[in-house]
Amino acid sequence: AQSVAQPEDQVNVAEGNPLTVKCTYSVSGNPYLFWYVQYPNRGLQFLLKYITGDNLVKGSYGFEAEFNKSQTSFHLKKPSALVSDSALYFCAVRDILFRNTPLVFGKGTRLSVIA
Amino acid sequence: SAVISQKPSRDICQRGTSLTIQCQVDSQVTMMFWYRQQPGQSLTLIATANQGSEATYESGFVIDKFPISRPNLTFSTLTVSNMSPEDSSIYLCSVPGGGGAGAYNEQFFGPGTRLTVL
Repeated sequence: AQSVAQPEDQVNVAEGNPLTVKCTYSVSGNPYLFWYVQYPNRGLQFLLKYITGDNLVKGSYGFEAEFNKSQTSFHLKKPSALVSDSALYFCAVRDILFRNTPLVFGKGTRLSVIA
Repeated sequence: SAVISQKPSRDICQRGTSLTIQCQVDSQVTMMFWYRQQPGQSLTLIATANQGSEATYESGFVIDKFPISRPNLTFSTLTVSNMSPEDSSIYLCSVPGGGGAGAYNEQFFGPGTRLTVL
């Protein structure tokens, strides 16, 4: 089975500070990992993905994520948070053993960046 | 990336009625997914719709309640039947990127349909 855990319902950070949104996963094979963002009253927007290679993946809007196989984690990071980053963030996984299946999503983490 | 539109963007419906949500994609895709997102919550997969075959429903979702049509490779509809207030949610359609659902492909999402049932 495939699953994703986002242990924090809410993350608060001051504008200009670094932010981290946590994600851990569980798969039987190899994981392909994704981050999405959802702004209020909008659909989900794809931020970045890890497939293979460099463990640090860079994506849209200055976000990056670090894949750690030993810790089965894929935390989302940004060096300097903006108020406009405030949104709902979802981590998702697909096990290579389950190609042609929909992504499995975590429950989401609400990020609030305070000016 | 695929561009996906949904109609209606929002609706307020009475208990016991039905609503059909349309999803249009700007490219041909074999697979489409329908999700439900209750306010502030995660996404729950309702069903996978492949063109030319019956939709595959997830546990807890049945065809009588959520009939799906997939008449061609760019279009699908989801009907929410005999609605109750518990059906109040955002309904999202989604397609795999890259022309398929290989393990490495992200999914793209429509803007969603916000349904309120009174």
